[in-house]
Amino acid sequence: AQSVTQPDIHITVSEGASLELRCNYSYGATPYLFWYVQSPGQGLQLLLKYFSGDTLVQGIKGFEAEFKRSQSSFNLRKPSVHWSDAAEYFCAVGADRTSGTYKYIFGTGTRLKVLA
Amino acid sequence: EAQVTQNPRYLITVTGKKLTVTCSQNMNHEYMSWYRQDPGLGLRQIYYSMNVEVTDKGDVPEGYKVSRKEKRNFPLILESPSPNQTSLYFCASSLDGSGSYNSPLHFGNGTRLTVT
Repeated sequence: AQSVTQPDIHITVSEGASLELRCNYSYGATPYLFWYVQSPGQGLQLLLKYFSGDTLVQGIKGFEAEFKRSQSSFNLRKPSVHWSDAAEYFCAVGADRTSGTYKYIFGTGTRLKVLA
Repeated sequence: EAQVTQNPRYLITVTGKKLTVTCSQNMNHEYMSWYRQDPGLGLRQIYYSMNVEVTDKGDVPEGYKVSRKEKRNFPLILESPSPNQTSLYFCASSLDGSGSYNSPLHFGNGTRLTVT
């Protein structure tokens, strides 16, 4: 069965430091992979997605993620974190239903705290 | 402004008292969906709708009902709420009726429900 694992529940970094959030997936075929961000009191916003092609994808707000098939990973990175990046981050994999519609399987989230 | 609007943002109720959480989108989206978010479990899909009068169960539909009489509205109904339905609820929509990954999900800001 398809699944998504985000091993880190909480991560704390200092402002200006680099960031890497981990995501591992389990999926039989080439996965559709996503990162969403949930700012306090807000809904989820799509940061970036990977469908195929270049394994390094760029997203909004200066984020990027790298798909590594051999490691079943899709880690999110940012070279220099800003205080406004404090939020909860969700990795998701697209898992087709037998009915032909699409569904997302979300990870449990990683809450990022940024120290001034 | 293009958005998904949920109401109310916060709701406290008692066991067994019927309630409705409204969701409306102004983007002419075909696909709408409800999720619940619980700590350690991520987001789980409750119901989804591919178009007017077309709805189907997600992963955790027990205790919930939905209807899609108009394209823009997708209310979530709890006919007899129980404490285990205490959660943060999100409505989401996307342009493509199948929920295709090429059509990003747009999320509302959430409804925090407490059932005592």
